[in-house]
Amino acid sequence: AQSVTQLGSHVSVSEGALVLLRCNYSSSVPPYLFWYVQYPNQGLQLLLKYTSAATLVKGINGFEAEFKKSETSFHLTKPSAHMSDAAEYFCAVSGGGNEKLTFGTGTRLTIIP
Amino acid sequence: DVKVTQSSRYLVKRTGEKVFLECVQDMDHENMFWYRQDPGLGLRLIYFSYDVKMKEKGDIPEGYSVSREKKERFSLILESASTNQTSMYLCATLSPWGQGGEQYFGPGTRLTVT
Repeated sequence: AQSVTQLGSHVSVSEGALVLLRCNYSSSVPPYLFWYVQYPNQGLQLLLKYTSAATLVKGINGFEAEFKKSETSFHLTKPSAHMSDAAEYFCAVSGGGNEKLTFGTGTRLTIIP
Repeated sequence: DVKVTQSSRYLVKRTGEKVFLECVQDMDHENMFWYRQDPGLGLRLIYFSYDVKMKEKGDIPEGYSVSREKKERFSLILESASTNQTSMYLCATLSPWGQGGEQYFGPGTRLTVT
């Protein structure tokens, strides 16, 4: 069984500041990990994914995440926040193949001008 | 580009009505999913389907059923809508693992039951 915990349901950062969204996972098998973003009134869009290759994964829009097995974490970062990054972000885990994804409860990111 | 479309963006129904939410995909993906999204609860899986006429219960199937008569279409049915089914409903497909193993989402249907 897999589960995901996202710490912080709301995060606010100033424009130009570092973005850090936290995700910890629990998995009984080697995990596949995903970050999705949801802009207002839209569906979810894949930002990046970890599938057991490189532990540092780069995604779209300047985001990246690092898989740390010892910490069971997959935190999402971006060096410099932009107003367009304001959205809700979801971390998800699966066991791969046809396994369904298990989502976290989401983190709403607000960018302060 | 994968396209997942949902029949309505906004829907208002009365308690006790039968409600159909339709989802259509154009990428020939075998796996399709229905989620509901509620503030503070994230996405919760209602039902999923690995193939035509095959369905599996997700984490919260009570009060819902599904239909998959054709590969491209996956319908969510609320037999008798209740106010606690007011929510955002998201449909998704899953690409084969050899093609990335990613879920692709539709834009969502915001259902209000009064």
